[in-house]
Amino acid sequence: EPEVTQTPSHQVTQMGQEVILRCVPISNHLYFYWYRQILGQKVEFLVSFYNNEISEKSEIFDDQFSVERPDGSNFTLKIRSTKLEDSAMYFCASSALAGGPQETQYFGPGTRLLVL
Amino acid sequence: AQSVTQLGSHVSVSEGALVLLRCNYSSSVPPYLFWYVQYPNQGLQLLLKYTSAATLVKGINGFEAEFKKSETSFHLTKPSAHMSDAAEYFCAVTGEAAGNKLTFGGGTRVLVKP
Repeated sequence: EPEVTQTPSHQVTQMGQEVILRCVPISNHLYFYWYRQILGQKVEFLVSFYNNEISEKSEIFDDQFSVERPDGSNFTLKIRSTKLEDSAMYFCASSALAGGPQETQYFGPGTRLLVL
Repeated sequence: AQSVTQLGSHVSVSEGALVLLRCNYSSSVPPYLFWYVQYPNQGLQLLLKYTSAATLVKGINGFEAEFKKSETSFHLTKPSAHMSDAAEYFCAVTGEAAGNKLTFGGGTRVLVKP
């Protein structure tokens, strides 16, 4: 069964460093998402991406964050200058059709980011 | 704006007993509701979803949930717990005015006792 994959599974970085989290969505999917979960808190929406542009972003997704689909398979989240509060589990998700919010989002296993 | 409340961050059940996980939502538009499960070191996996068809929704692994608009609830049940049901369960909501973003509850961790 096709699945969303994410690399790395764990990342440790120093405050102020740039990190890139990578995701390979399911191959025929059209919508891509990033969510994050700070330890002990809810899973929060960051950004959605469709047709090579951001379709929606949350207040969390400020200028320090960017997303890119550099080729036909990868979807990346870049954090330019990490802060301690960026420490979280980051989930990538994808959905099959631009059919609206009832479409199932399929999630990857997550990247646990620790900023020291 | 939308929100989800899951009552109980931890639930302990005996093997063979009923599993009941509570989810209440708030939404200004007709909601679409989802239950996801997360096993250790894995991603969120869809259990079931409500998208305005039948109010009683059956999902994988014997789970089902009932949408009750009057109670703004979407509780998840399974008649007989199995050891393999030990995981964390997340309720989420979205709607036509919310774009495609999911708003999640805080999650409920289920422990199954032999």
